[in-house]
Amino acid sequence: DAKTTQPNSMESNEEEPVHLPCNHSTISGTDYIHWYRQLPSQGPEYVIHGLTSNVNNRMASLAIAEDRKSSTLILHRATLRDAAVYYCILRGPNYGGATNKLIFGTGTLLAVQP
Amino acid sequence: AAGVIQSPRHLIKEKRETATLKCYPIPRHDTVYWYQQGPGQDPQFLISFYEKMQSDKGSIPDRFSAQQFSDYHSELNMSSLELGDSALYFCASSLGLAGGPFQETQYFGPGTRLLVL
Repeated sequence: DAKTTQPNSMESNEEEPVHLPCNHSTISGTDYIHWYRQLPSQGPEYVIHGLTSNVNNRMASLAIAEDRKSSTLILHRATLRDAAVYYCILRGPNYGGATNKLIFGTGTLLAVQP
Repeated sequence: AAGVIQSPRHLIKEKRETATLKCYPIPRHDTVYWYQQGPGQDPQFLISFYEKMQSDKGSIPDRFSAQQFSDYHSELNMSSLELGDSALYFCASSLGLAGGPFQETQYFGPGTRLLVL
């Protein structure tokens, strides 16, 4: 499985943008880039995913480098509730009739200061 | 919206005892995943089921077994418990699709915290 590398921790101020980087230099052509986050004492939750193009949803934006060897999760205005561990995960395509597990690496612990 | 339900939320057992963790997926979801998260560690995949059949297996000890029932709920059975089994156990559910390829989102439950004394 292709590996991802993220900084162990980052800090941000409330209401400021946050850019969380992820390196995945061995990504294959069919790997999707997923981001999940885990708030304290909760199960992980889906944030966003993409393949080649930048993606936006109500939670965040995902910027994918042209060579796909790195990506950045962007939280446009951090809130205290965004303090969590953020995981960047590569997943191959899922075909009907099979499951597709998440392989969690060491994510980034984001601290948000008021 | 309905979420994944796990029970019990907390469980305390003695060494060598057995434990059963239950997971009720989001309605209409046919896929269940189990993950284990030790203290200070990242979640690790244990086992998954699609349409009541085991689909994938991770680093799950032989002392553990699991199944998915006709109503799609799943149970993780753990026997001969060891101190090292103390962890958070998460269940996640998703909706599989025929054909493919696709990328499904996994929805996680709140977890069961197991403490083995």
